[in-house]
Amino acid sequence: DIQMTQSPSTLSASVGDRVTITCRAGHNIRDWLAWYQQKPGKAPKLLIYRASTLQIGVPSRFSGSGSGTEFTLTISSLQPDDFATYYCQQYDSSSTFGQGTKVEV
Amino acid sequence: QVQLQESGPGLVKPSATLSLTCAVSGGSISSSNWWSWVRQTPEKGLEWIGEVYHTGSTNYNPSLKSRVTLSVDKSMNQFSLKLDSVTAADTALYYCARGTTMIPLAFDCWGQGTLVTISS
Repeated sequence: DIQMTQSPSTLSASVGDRVTITCRAGHNIRDWLAWYQQKPGKAPKLLIYRASTLQIGVPSRFSGSGSGTEFTLTISSLQPDDFATYYCQQYDSSSTFGQGTKVEV
Repeated sequence: QVQLQESGPGLVKPSATLSLTCAVSGGSISSSNWWSWVRQTPEKGLEWIGEVYHTGSTNYNPSLKSRVTLSVDKSMNQFSLKLDSVTAADTALYYCARGTTMIPLAFDCWGQGTLVTISS
């Protein structure tokens, strides 16, 4: 399995803040990476795939970057609806998810 | 708009087989998408179980491959998961999900999830 490590595990932020979450892969996964947002009691929601391609309907304040083993998800100006847990996922070899980053007030 | 709905027993005995079904509505299971199962626990987080195509082709997570069978029922527009020899470690919230047409393992549509508890 390719291990995916997210940091931080928890992030405290305020509305309007620029937020960055990092995901590191145990092996080179090229750009085969997705990001999801999950709210309590709900299924994950796809935000970004191919490391930087925004899924249709996702606000442009979300962006992704990186390749190889280091990736970032950035929220340019945090909105009230963005408080949630975020997961990265590699799909270069089988598929594995990071452990999640909770964005809280 | 495609919707997915999981169904199956919420309680399964240890060593038995866990069986779940995912009904696809608002679209065809014979579309150019792969269909996956993903489970989630507080301890291990999100874990991909496997994927199936409408032709019956499958890919499985190597860590679960020996116990997992995925199948498709095109007449019912649904796909199914069977997980053999379950233990308490298989207690989880099980989701079915649709892979995007471009990236089969990026999931753009999910069911609401169904909680399965393994206990005698």
